Amino acid sequence: QQQVKQSPQSLIVQKGGISIINCAYENTAFDYFPWYQQFPGKGPALLIAIRPDVSEKKEGRFTISFNKSAKQFSLHIMDSQPGDSATYFCAAYSGAGSYQLTFGKGTKLSVIP
Amino acid sequence: NAGVMQNPRHLVRRRGQEARLRCSPMKGHSHVYWYRQLPEEGLKFMVYLQKENIIDESGMPKERFSAEFPKEGPSILRIQQVVRGDSAAYFCASSPPGTGAHEQYFGPGTRLTVT
Repeated sequence: QQQVKQSPQSLIVQKGGISIINCAYENTAFDYFPWYQQFPGKGPALLIAIRPDVSEKKEGRFTISFNKSAKQFSLHIMDSQPGDSATYFCAAYSGAGSYQLTFGKGTKLSVIP
Repeated sequence: NAGVMQNPRHLVRRRGQEARLRCSPMKGHSHVYWYRQLPEEGLKFMVYLQKENIIDESGMPKERFSAEFPKEGPSILRIQQVVRGDSAAYFCASSPPGTGAHEQYFGPGTRLTVT
């Protein structure tokens, strides 16, 4: 049973556009939601994260929007650049006895000039 | 300040051989996690260790796989009698002690190919 569903699987955005990636979760015990960026042949790098007590968090061009009632969260990349082309993973973590991150399947983002 | 280190970066094994993957956590981190990533898939949790203790191995296959994090030296993920289905990227992550378990920082991974 997949606990974190991520969409779309792939995304093509023009340079300067907004990239939006969505995730939905089922387990209400999740209390920390990070996004990771992964380039080919590299490990995932922590990009930005949010806790459910806030509805939005912004760091530079990256924003997480969080809807607790809908159990959904999304990553917005403003002014997308070719260097943003990577695979993005949403994840969820529960501090209640489980120490693992549960990952979505990833979104391959291509930003074209 | 070195990040999480993993070696080897690439490992080729024939079916039936053993694979040993090593992970050194970030300086100051005492928690280590192993994840497996299949092509076009997200990462799947395997095991969580602290020094000399396995805390959670709920994601580890029951047979052929084992993990350790000794008092001295790196964490080791060991796969015995590898099969083609073990071909994947294996990532190690570490987090600081105390309440920082949610902040997991990943290494570059070991890409295992079983021929």
